[in-house]
Amino acid sequence: DAMVIQNPRYQVTQFGKPVTLSCSQTLNHNVMYWYQQKSSQAPKLLFHYYDKDFNNEADTPDNFQSRRPNTSFCFLDIRSPGLGDAAMYLCATSRDRGSGGSETQYFGPGTRLLVL
Amino acid sequence: GQNIDQPTEMTATEGAIVQINCTYQTSGFNGLFWYQQHAGEAPTFLSYNVLDGLEEKGRFSSFLSRSKGYSYLLLKELQMKDSASYLCAVRDILPGGYQKVTFGTGTKLQVIP
Repeated sequence: DAMVIQNPRYQVTQFGKPVTLSCSQTLNHNVMYWYQQKSSQAPKLLFHYYDKDFNNEADTPDNFQSRRPNTSFCFLDIRSPGLGDAAMYLCATSRDRGSGGSETQYFGPGTRLLVL
Repeated sequence: GQNIDQPTEMTATEGAIVQINCTYQTSGFNGLFWYQQHAGEAPTFLSYNVLDGLEEKGRFSSFLSRSKGYSYLLLKELQMKDSASYLCAVRDILPGGYQKVTFGTGTKLQVIP
């Protein structure tokens, strides 16, 4: 089945140790998003790729970077994780045809990051 | 910027009807989404409104009034499995044509027997 896949589902890292989270999709969607969601809070958009164009949110810390080597894959790199970066990281995709239609976002299962 | 307001928590009885409200303030409105999110899981799409009126999809309906900046999600014949958080999300067209979706903090619905 077509889907959005995130690996791993749970990731434990040490304070300050770089970590990479991965997302892949078989939907052939041109837009991919990374959200951070902390407990009982709304998903917060970190950045997204529209095709190859990277769009960073103004309040996303420099500690967070992203790569999209091809249509199917997108990575979230946290260069120096702090305790405050422990959260669920959600990848989502959508097909944006530029018409402003009902292109909903399809979410992966998320990766829960624990920082020790 | 955007402001999206939803009640934090609601409780309803199995078999009943519940309405979850969402109000928003935005400058370039281009659609409102409702998502369901069970604890520890990713959000799943429920509905989309861009024009005023009611969209019905089985037990779930969503209403939008653009002039009032108001939407609601209506859940009928509540089931225990409907206990979840319900997220209202608004899509904006920002200067330059960039589209952005912002989520509300969600309404945690508890369905009781």
